This record gives sequence, C-alpha cells and structure tokens, in this order.
Amino acid sequence: QKEVEQNSGPLSVPEGAIASLNCTYSDRGSQSFFWYRQYSGKSPELIMFIYSNGDKEDGRFTAQLNKASQYVSLLIRDSQPSDSATYLCAVNRPGSNDYKLSFGAGTTVTVRA
Amino acid sequence: DTAVSQTPKYLVTQMGNDKSIKCEQNLGHDTMYWYKQDSKKFLKIMFSYNNKELIINETVPNRFSPKSPDKAHLNLHINSLELGDSAVYFCASSPKWTFPDTQYFGPGTRLTVL
Repeated sequence: QKEVEQNSGPLSVPEGAIASLNCTYSDRGSQSFFWYRQYSGKSPELIMFIYSNGDKEDGRFTAQLNKASQYVSLLIRDSQPSDSATYLCAVNRPGSNDYKLSFGAGTTVTVRA
Repeated sequence: DTAVSQTPKYLVTQMGNDKSIKCEQNLGHDTMYWYKQDSKKFLKIMFSYNNKELIINETVPNRFSPKSPDKAHLNLHINSLELGDSAVYFCASSPKWTFPDTQYFGPGTRLTVL
C-alpha cells in the first residue's frame, strides 16, 4: 500500500466550476498535510497546509481533513485556466527524528475555458 | 532575490560519468532536502540535512553522496551515472526541523543520462 494515494486524474473541469481533489494516507500517526501545486516544467509550490480536522479556507482553496478516515481533500472554487496544474498531496509524520514529507503521485487538473 | 537556487538547470551526460548539482538557499533556513521526481511525476525524498547534519538518508544507491558545507548549501554528487538516474532533482529548504514544517522548492535540475 502506498503511503499517500491521490485520485489519478486527469481531472477536467469547466471554468468557474469546483475542482475536487482527494488524497488518502496510510499512516495513522500522520499529523500535518500539505497541498502543493506544480505547473508543467516548474517546481512544486505550497498552496496550503492543514493539521486539524475540519475545513481550512484560503481564498478560492479549501482543504478538508478527516483523520479518522485518513482522508484529506482540496477544493478549488471558481476554477480558472491558471489553476491548470498538477496538485500534489504531501503528508508529514513527525517522529523521533523523522519530519520527511511523503508525496502522492499527483492529480493533473485541466480547467477548460 | 530570496529563494532556493540550483545549478545547473539542465544536465545531459553519458552513462558512467560523475556529476554534481549545487543548491543554495538564502532564506536563512536550517534544513535542506534533495528530492527526485521521475518521469511519472512521483516526488520522493532522498536526503535531508539539518544544520549540516544528515538527518534523512532514504534508500538511495551509495553512488549518490550529499554534502553540506554550511547550512545554506547542499550539494549532490552522483558517481557512475546510470540511465535510471534520469529525472528532475529538486532541492528544498524549510525553516526548522519542527512541526508543522513548510518546505520551499528550488527550480529543479533536469538530469538526462544517455
């Protein structure tokens, strides 16, 4: 079982719609969760992180975390063509000496104008 | 500009050669990382240094050797390059070795082994 799994996509949504991205993780000890956006040929850039159950909103982005279900999601409201990118879910499990991020394979989103 | 920078941006070389990639951050961060992103876009950590000390050393062939001369620099040397080493290598840094920890990525080095 992979540590972090994302819906494989690609996900195509019309401009103005909501894009919904899902991520599940295997380690119940995981405590912080990150969403990165990566444009083609570019480096990952952090969109937001969440570590408490519930929703966290930042502009058009909402992250949702459910630790009991080991599930984290990202909603992109009013999707724009500039949101077309690959979205990477990353999970961090703090331990005795281990703060590494484990990444999912990413979901590619295409927003149709 | 404050950032994480890497050199070179592109590296094309023959199998069996030895090459190095350099990374520098001027963000004042304590922790630096090397990641490998393969053709399927899967991003996997290779190494992490905290204040010049090796913290994470994933299952990586010992042909790969990181070196951190100071906490602002983390270089990656690769010996006897193989076809499977072709990938994009990202350097990243984060403020400190605590929770939650946000990592900032450099622009990447695209390595092609022929």
